[in-house]
Amino acid sequence: QQPVQSPQAVILREGEDAVINCSSSKALYSVHWYRQKHGEAPIFLMILLKGGEQKGHDKISASFNEKKQQSSLYLTASQLSYSGTYFCGTETTSGSRLTFGEGTQLTVNP
Amino acid sequence: DVKVTQSSRYLVKRTGEKVFLECVQDMDHENMFWYRQDPGLGLRLIYFSYDVKMKEKGDIPEGYSVSREKKERFSLILESASTNQTSMYLCASSLAALYLTDTQYFGPGTRLTVL
Repeated sequence: QQPVQSPQAVILREGEDAVINCSSSKALYSVHWYRQKHGEAPIFLMILLKGGEQKGHDKISASFNEKKQQSSLYLTASQLSYSGTYFCGTETTSGSRLTFGEGTQLTVNP
Repeated sequence: DVKVTQSSRYLVKRTGEKVFLECVQDMDHENMFWYRQDPGLGLRLIYFSYDVKMKEKGDIPEGYSVSREKKERFSLILESASTNQTSMYLCASSLAALYLTDTQYFGPGTRLTVL
């Protein structure tokens, strides 16, 4: 079953912050985040494993709350280059492959 | 540098035609995947393969088949294309056999239009 992402779309001005959420109805083992810029291939951002750790690089970080079966991606002081569609992929504790959400379209304007 | 290539960026076919979408990876990865991407539906898995000549159905395999004769190449076949198969098709690969949640590397996609 696909995880649910929210919001579906968000528009920001450069320098603003955003949060993208990913929720599952099933117990999760890991959450993966990918970004796809317009016309390009999705690229891997980070993976969060069961244990509730928070990860990040540069001004993009993520958390994983396994009890709530959800993950959040935090984009701080957004840059124009952050524009794109963000996908979460979830691995359940009973499954063996990733299932991707429907995506969140992020637009950063000057 | 990791590379996944797809044979065409854009393809236009007619209803009923047999369509082949090709994907090649140069990373010696064990796993390969085919997804379709539609607005509001995200990435949905059609088929995947964890070894040469091995294939497994994903979430939406109906109307599709696949072929993996060589490790680096994974083909998606639409036996008789229909208009509801108009979509963006993405190929991906990952390293470890049977560890299907390893980081996936995606190709640029093929936008298929069926008229």
